[in-house]
Amino acid sequence: KAGVTQTPRYLIKTRGQQVTLSCSPISGHRSVSWYQQTPGQGLQFLFEYFSETQRNKGNFPGRFSGRQFSNSRSEMNVSTLELGDSALYLCASSWEVPGQGSYGYTFGSGTRLTVV
Amino acid sequence: GQQVMQIPQYQHVQEGEDFTTYCNSSTTLSNIQWYKQRPGGHPVFLIQLVKSGEVKKQKRLTFQFGEAKKNSSLHITATQTTDVGTYFCAGTINNAGNMLTFGGGTRLMVKP
Repeated sequence: KAGVTQTPRYLIKTRGQQVTLSCSPISGHRSVSWYQQTPGQGLQFLFEYFSETQRNKGNFPGRFSGRQFSNSRSEMNVSTLELGDSALYLCASSWEVPGQGSYGYTFGSGTRLTVV
Repeated sequence: GQQVMQIPQYQHVQEGEDFTTYCNSSTTLSNIQWYKQRPGGHPVFLIQLVKSGEVKKQKRLTFQFGEAKKNSSLHITATQTTDVGTYFCAGTINNAGNMLTFGGGTRLMVKP
């Protein structure tokens, strides 16, 4: 199976602009989660989508939003970019760990966003 | 809110030495997962522990989940240069769906 695909890999934006990042999960996976990774704050949960519905949301301002399409592909949008939004944005496709009733994640390679 | 702390932040070892990273949660976890991220890469799932006191092994890696399900450890025996990277623990709490709370990671450097 193909892995989790994130586009674009790199992005440079100016403060105040908005950006849309895309994620295609592993075929057949319906849950997609987004994480922000920065040197200072580490890996922080943004939100999770399952069957086109937001199931969980992290503690980020409303400038961060997302959606999921019927084919499970997901997008996240950040409006009015700030310098502090510079980060690696990771998308993860989740799968059930056999026999344990819980989930593991396969991460994409991420989109590295630089805000200048 | 829930916090997951991980120590140490950095560890330099000589190739062949052992390495351990520790993870502690402020709340009881329903499960804990471990990931490895190579420099410039993305986190890669290593293992998940669910049961209190569980111990799992993967070749030179040994993972433990504490009896109270609030702490965990990853031990690598006889490190190799291929072990270089940052090791993250990540926990989920009951009723939190698939949301993972990550520890800050331990960056392992191995001197050949």
